[in-house]
Amino acid sequence: NAGVMQNPRHLVRRRGQEARLRCSPMKGHSHVYWYRQLPEEGLKFMVYLQKENIIDESGMPKERFSAEFPKEGPSILRIQQVVRGDSAAYFCASSTPRGAYEQYFGPGTRLTVT
Amino acid sequence: KQEVTQIPAALSVPEGENLVLNCSFTDSAIYNLQWFRQDPGKGLTSLLLIQSSQREQTSGRLNASLDKSSGRSTLYIAASQPGDSATYLCAVWGGNTLQGAQKLVFGQGTRLTINP
Repeated sequence: NAGVMQNPRHLVRRRGQEARLRCSPMKGHSHVYWYRQLPEEGLKFMVYLQKENIIDESGMPKERFSAEFPKEGPSILRIQQVVRGDSAAYFCASSTPRGAYEQYFGPGTRLTVT
Repeated sequence: KQEVTQIPAALSVPEGENLVLNCSFTDSAIYNLQWFRQDPGKGLTSLLLIQSSQREQTSGRLNASLDKSSGRSTLYIAASQPGDSATYLCAVWGGNTLQGAQKLVFGQGTRLTINP
């Protein structure tokens, strides 16, 4: 009964490189959410996806950030041309499409931009 | 726009004490409220979820209450232990089940330290 899986757990990128963060939801969950936690700040919603659909990306920065949740495979959060301000912990959560809509979180990916 | 506030920002108490953490939210039209625990450098562990139709939920030494009309929730921890030391986060899931409304809005958290 694996929980939400995220990899890598830690990622170091130089300024200008691309970062790819992966999230596998819990078994039976078809809704995926990405949140970002900047140093000394609270968690902020970024994007909500269902399989092959972006439902709400109101929290995504307008440039350089994109997300997908393909029919097969994990959800991917992609950050192009990373800058130091992108250094943060990125958390993925998943939920079922019915019931209490409780969200279960993964361990996070800690991105450091040097 | 929903805003969630947690008070106090930090709390330090001796082991064995009972304590209350507070959470307030500005828009009472919420679907549910979750309390999480976050250990330093780690992910979030869901502690309790209260649906909007409920008034409280209990799990072991934890009890969470919800008063939608006043926009408040409390997390009560009984007989605190050093292992309870962590940051406690309150988050609300807002409004309705329509697509586009399904996101958690988090408070800044309360950093709890239980002293042996």
